[in-house]
Amino acid sequence: SQQGEEDPQALSIQEGENATMNCSYKTSINNLQWYRQNSGRGLVHLILIRSNEREKHSGRLRVTLDTSKKSSSLLITASRAADTASYFCATGLIQGAQKLVFGQGTRLTINP
Amino acid sequence: NAGVTQTPKFQVLKTGQSMTLQCAQDMNHEYMSWYRQDPGMGLRLIHYSVGAGITDQGEVPNGYNVSRSTTEDFPLRLLSAAPSQTSVYFCASSEGAQRNSPLHFGNGTRLTVT
Repeated sequence: SQQGEEDPQALSIQEGENATMNCSYKTSINNLQWYRQNSGRGLVHLILIRSNEREKHSGRLRVTLDTSKKSSSLLITASRAADTASYFCATGLIQGAQKLVFGQGTRLTINP
Repeated sequence: NAGVTQTPKFQVLKTGQSMTLQCAQDMNHEYMSWYRQDPGMGLRLIHYSVGAGITDQGEVPNGYNVSRSTTEDFPLRLLSAAPSQTSVYFCASSEGAQRNSPLHFGNGTRLTVT
């Protein structure tokens, strides 16, 4: 069963606009991570937010985490054509060794 | 550093054949794992290892075997390929077995079973 569910499944915006993707999960987590996947490539780690953090920034990326609602959002500001990719959230569960559980991803298209 | 290297990039098998997907990392990472990616299903964990000589099952382990004889290598074996195993397979590693370590992914092996 999927732990993380991304919303929307697909998003198409104009270059320069901001893109927001959401992730909801079901069980308690230790951390939540966001990854990017370009077509035909492996996933690349973007940012990690721990369960005791509420917001984190990295360049044009802003991630928020609301553990009471079991949800997270990824904001990409001032989007560029190179941001076109699929974005996945992954939850690190509390129990056991590192076993990240991935959502189904959001397909982001930036139109020039 | 090459990072995580997967071979082959593409493979076509007939039902019942066996094969090994290779994964090697040169970052001295303790943790290694195998995921499969299917359309609409995201990535699902097959097997993982927290160090040489230690392996464990993930979410979808049936039909796959792994071993971890060295820190660098973590091969995935398909014992008797089935069409349901048609997928893209990703190997990933991280610095430690700690829960806050980001994963480093290879570029995947696209497997088709006919």
